[in-house]
Amino acid sequence: EIVMTQSPATLSVSPGERATLSCRASQSVGSNLAWYQQKPGQAPRLLIYAASTRAAGIPARFSGSGSGTEFTLTISSLQSEDFAVYYCQHYNNWPLLTFGGGTKVEIK
Amino acid sequence: QVQLVESGGGVVQPGRSLRLSCAASGFTFSSYAMHWVRQAPGKGLEWVAVIWYDGIKKYHTDSVKGRFTISRDNSKNTMYLQMNSLRAEDTAVYYCARDLGRWAVTSPIDYWGQGTLVTVSS
Repeated sequence: EIVMTQSPATLSVSPGERATLSCRASQSVGSNLAWYQQKPGQAPRLLIYAASTRAAGIPARFSGSGSGTEFTLTISSLQSEDFAVYYCQHYNNWPLLTFGGGTKVEIK
Repeated sequence: QVQLVESGGGVVQPGRSLRLSCAASGFTFSSYAMHWVRQAPGKGLEWVAVIWYDGIKKYHTDSVKGRFTISRDNSKNTMYLQMNSLRAEDTAVYYCARDLGRWAVTSPIDYWGQGTLVTVSS
């Protein structure tokens, strides 16, 4: 089983600053990696898939990079609505899915 | 627009059963694999089960194998999760979710329902 490890667990960032979130897979998942945003009391929302493709309607300030075992989600200039928990998920063993533990982005 | 609406959650005693439903609209339901994903209170996301677009193939995570069964009725645009022998550790919000890609292609989840809370407690 491939384990997904996200870091840091919590990221404190000021509005307007850049946020960089990491996701590491215990073995290669190719580019079969997605990122989700979840706000309190809401369902997750797909941000990025195929490691770097933005989902429909996702602002350009969100970008994804990486392949194999190391992945990064970057939010170029944090807006107030971006403070949330972010999860990575690999689907290399589709249809079986595995999520990372999440990174909470909080206001500094 | 794509809509997924879960129902059937509630409070149930350990060892009892519950059936969740997910009503889909706004897309061709019979063309997409569908998933159940759960989230225990204050915890992360855990994939539970998936069913092929035609219902022929199904997979369940190890912790629910033999207790939970995913199914679907494409004539009703509805997916189900039959949960038997419930345990306290099954307490979670259960989300219904759709694959991004049509048919059986490697893809992530794109749409999620709002979830239904299942609480297993005596």
